[in-house]
Amino acid sequence: DQQVKQNSPSLSVQEGRISILNCDYTNSMFDYFLWYKKYPAEGPTFLISISSIKDKNEDGRFTVFLNKSAKHLSLHIVPSQPGDSAVYFCAASAYDFGNEKLTFGTGTRLTIIP
Amino acid sequence: NAGVTQTPKFRILKIGQSMTLQCTQDMNHNYMYWYRQDPGMGLKLIYYSVGAGITDKGEVPNGYNVSRSTTEDFPLRLELAAPSQTSVYFCASRLRQGTNQPQHFGDGTRLSIL
Repeated sequence: DQQVKQNSPSLSVQEGRISILNCDYTNSMFDYFLWYKKYPAEGPTFLISISSIKDKNEDGRFTVFLNKSAKHLSLHIVPSQPGDSAVYFCAASAYDFGNEKLTFGTGTRLTIIP
Repeated sequence: NAGVTQTPKFRILKIGQSMTLQCTQDMNHNYMYWYRQDPGMGLKLIYYSVGAGITDKGEVPNGYNVSRSTTEDFPLRLELAAPSQTSVYFCASRLRQGTNQPQHFGDGTRLSIL
C-alpha cells in the first residue's frame, strides 16, 4: 500500500525553464510534507517542507504547493539549473503513538538539459 | 562538519554471514533512524531510536537488530544475511521531532548478499 506516490519516474527539462515534480498521497493524517534531493552515491538532503495548514511555501528558486482536497503536492523549480539534476523524493510525516515517522515516495529523476 | 557518517560504503556478504553497519553522528541529535532503499522504491524505515537506550521497530525490521548505547552511535546488525537484504542502507538523525527539524542523512552503505 503506497501511501505516497510519485508517478513520474523521470523528467527532463531544458535549462532555464520550470521543473514541476508531482506527488500524491492517500493518508489524511499526514501533517507535513518534505522534498529531499539525492545525488548519486550520496544521502538525501533536505530541500523544502510545507505544513498541512499551508498551501504554499517558497525558498529561493524552490516552491512547494499543497492541495489538501486533492491530496497532491508539487515542487516547482524556477529557473532550472544543471546542478538541479538529481533524484527528488517526496516524503510525508505522521505521528504513530507519539513518534513521528516519514513515508517516502519512490522518487523522480530530474535531468536538466543544458 | 562530519554530520552523519556511515561505514562501510560498500560490502559484499555471503548468505548466512553476519555484519554490522556503523552509523555515527556528531550533532548531538537525539533521534536516529535506519532506512533501506531498494531499486525503484522509496526509503523504508527499519528501526529508529529516540535517545540512548531506546529503540523501536519501523516498517521493515525483520532480519535486523539495533542498539543505541551512546547518543552518537546507532549500529545496525544483520545476523543471517539473506539475498532479500541486498539494498542501500541509509542512516539519518535529527535533534527533535517537528516541522522544522528535517532528518540529516549519511551517504549510505551499499550491501550485496550473494
